[in-house]
Amino acid sequence: GAVVSQHPSWVICKSGTSVKIECRSLDFQATTMFWYRQFPKQSLMLMATSNEGSKATYEQGVEKDKFLINHASLTLSTLTVTSAHPEDSSFYICSATRAQEQYFGPGTRLTVT
Amino acid sequence: GQQLNQSPQSMFIQEGEDVSMNCTSSSIFNTWLWYKQDPGEGPVLLIALYKAGELTSNGRLTAQFGITRKDSFLNISASIPSDVGIYFCAGPINAGGTSYGKLTFGQGTILTVHP
Repeated sequence: GAVVSQHPSWVICKSGTSVKIECRSLDFQATTMFWYRQFPKQSLMLMATSNEGSKATYEQGVEKDKFLINHASLTLSTLTVTSAHPEDSSFYICSATRAQEQYFGPGTRLTVT
Repeated sequence: GQQLNQSPQSMFIQEGEDVSMNCTSSSIFNTWLWYKQDPGEGPVLLIALYKAGELTSNGRLTAQFGITRKDSFLNISASIPSDVGIYFCAGPINAGGTSYGKLTFGQGTILTVHP
């Protein structure tokens, strides 16, 4: 069964508003989670590494003030897209590691109108 | 970070046919991963390769880690309709990284299987 969940599975928001996406590891603790973004018909691109108890680390070109990451507990990381714009519309996928294997969540489809 | 080039971009095949796709890099990888992504879902690991020359099977799937450590291929034999999806190769984003750390993905191969 699924070991990583995401909520919501899809969300529509208006331009200029903020939206929060949750990533949870089910029945295991994850000190590190990853956030990826996938545009239609494209590959997954790593955005940031979420570290429990410390600041997230962002990949080059990803605005940390726009994509706020909070690893609130050992089973929960959140990604907040602030002041969303239509170009932020994408499929956001998180992952977590258990027993040296990386499991991906089912993704969250964000549409900004 | 390390870049992966995956081909072909898409394939249209008849049920029962075999499929082959590959992934190359200009850099050496110490781990090759193959994932499948169904529409609207996250990727699921199919096969992980950790050793140059390694050939690993998972049911009808077979993958190999190239001897040069700069390429890998995935074969699917006797395709069935549920094989439809996007197949990605992936590897550690940095040399020396692990399969459970930061990953870089190939561009993906979209597989369509006609019944």
